[in-house]
Amino acid sequence: AQSVTQLDSQVPVFEEAPVELRCNYSSSVSVYLFWYVQYPNQGLQLLLKYLSGSTLVKGINGFEAEFNKSQTSFHLRKPSVHISDTAEYFCAARMNYGGSQGNLIFGKGTKLSVKP
Amino acid sequence: GAVVSQHPSRVICKSGTSVKIECRSLDFQATTMFWYRQFPKKSLMLMATSNEGSKATYEQGVEKDKFLINHASLTLSTLTVTSAHPEDSSFYICSALATRQLPYEQYFGPGTRLTVT
Repeated sequence: AQSVTQLDSQVPVFEEAPVELRCNYSSSVSVYLFWYVQYPNQGLQLLLKYLSGSTLVKGINGFEAEFNKSQTSFHLRKPSVHISDTAEYFCAARMNYGGSQGNLIFGKGTKLSVKP
Repeated sequence: GAVVSQHPSRVICKSGTSVKIECRSLDFQATTMFWYRQFPKKSLMLMATSNEGSKATYEQGVEKDKFLINHASLTLSTLTVTSAHPEDSSFYICSALATRQLPYEQYFGPGTRLTVT
């Protein structure tokens, strides 16, 4: 069965430190991968996505992620975080069945807390 | 990117009443929309898939008679919580699927906070 696993439910980090939020997926077919950010009482905003091509994708707010097919991972990174990056981050996958696509499957989320 | 709106952003209703939440795709047509429910500090739970002009497809465990979904046009889907109870209090998020090109893109609304007293 297809699934998305976010290994850390909470990640505390100090301001200006680097951060990595981990995401692994399980699928028998090719996938499209996404990272979303959710600020309190708001909907989801797309940070970045991997569809094909270069395995390193860059998104908004200085975030980037690397698709690793052999490790079935899509970890999110930022070299230096700000207080304003404090939010919930969701990894998601959409299965590609060739002529059709499955629904988005979400991980359980990682709460990033940036401290001064 | 494309814009999806939800109305209202917050609603408080009394137990036993019904409340309607609207989801609109503002700059694209969406034959498919999704309704999610999010519990505090939890991930999004897909409730149902709304298809324009046909019946919604509900996920297992979601009561279709309680959560009525109508997708009457290519830009509007509504979720009506009927006979609401305090346990229905939650954050409801809709999403619209843009199918103009592959791969499909899914855009999310800002969410609706429902509180049932």
